[in-house]
Amino acid sequence: AQKVTQAQTEISVVEKEDVTLDCVYETRDTTYYLFWYKQPPSGELVFLIRRNSFDEQNEISGRYSWNFQKSTSSFNFTITASQVVDSAVYFCALNNNAGNMLTFGGGTRLMVKP
Amino acid sequence: NAGVMQNPRHLVRRRGQEARLRCSPMKGHSHVYWYRQLPEEGLKFMVYLQKENIIDESGMPKERFSAEFPKEGPSILRIQQVVRGDSAAYFCASSPRGQPPYEQYFGPGTRLTVT
Repeated sequence: AQKVTQAQTEISVVEKEDVTLDCVYETRDTTYYLFWYKQPPSGELVFLIRRNSFDEQNEISGRYSWNFQKSTSSFNFTITASQVVDSAVYFCALNNNAGNMLTFGGGTRLMVKP
Repeated sequence: NAGVMQNPRHLVRRRGQEARLRCSPMKGHSHVYWYRQLPEEGLKFMVYLQKENIIDESGMPKERFSAEFPKEGPSILRIQQVVRGDSAAYFCASSPRGQPPYEQYFGPGTRLTVT
């Protein structure tokens, strides 16, 4: 069985602060894929990143960066110099190699105050 | 470059009525997934379909729920005899292929309210 845990249900920061959203996963598969999605107040889900289990290189995209640590089964997401527009619920998700379904964590609600 | 389309965006049904939710995948995508998001919870997988085939329905409730993805037209999630507990946001996602897992692009969701 697969499981994704986002222990932080809610985080509040002040604009320009850095913030890290934690994601811990469980799977028996050796090949799997990890994702992050953003759900802004408008409700849609926006794809942010996909990583496979063989690629442990960290990734940076603008103010966003992701740290994949296979040894601790974690795939954490950092926003540098947060902005009010970053306020959203962020979901971490896991997909095994079968390609069928995403298993989502419970989400972390990030509030960035001006 | 239209994304995944879902309609209606909001749907209100009385208990016992039927709800039909429609999803048109992105152009070129032949794989459709339905997820349900209960209030204040994460998304839960319901069903995975390709054209004219249900591939995985392990997340679908055994009764009252059905899904289809016909050769022509959108994918339909149907809920018969709705109950208050069906109130949720239902999201559809599509991907170009199933293997290896490609990113799934989500529609805006249909918010179902059962009164």
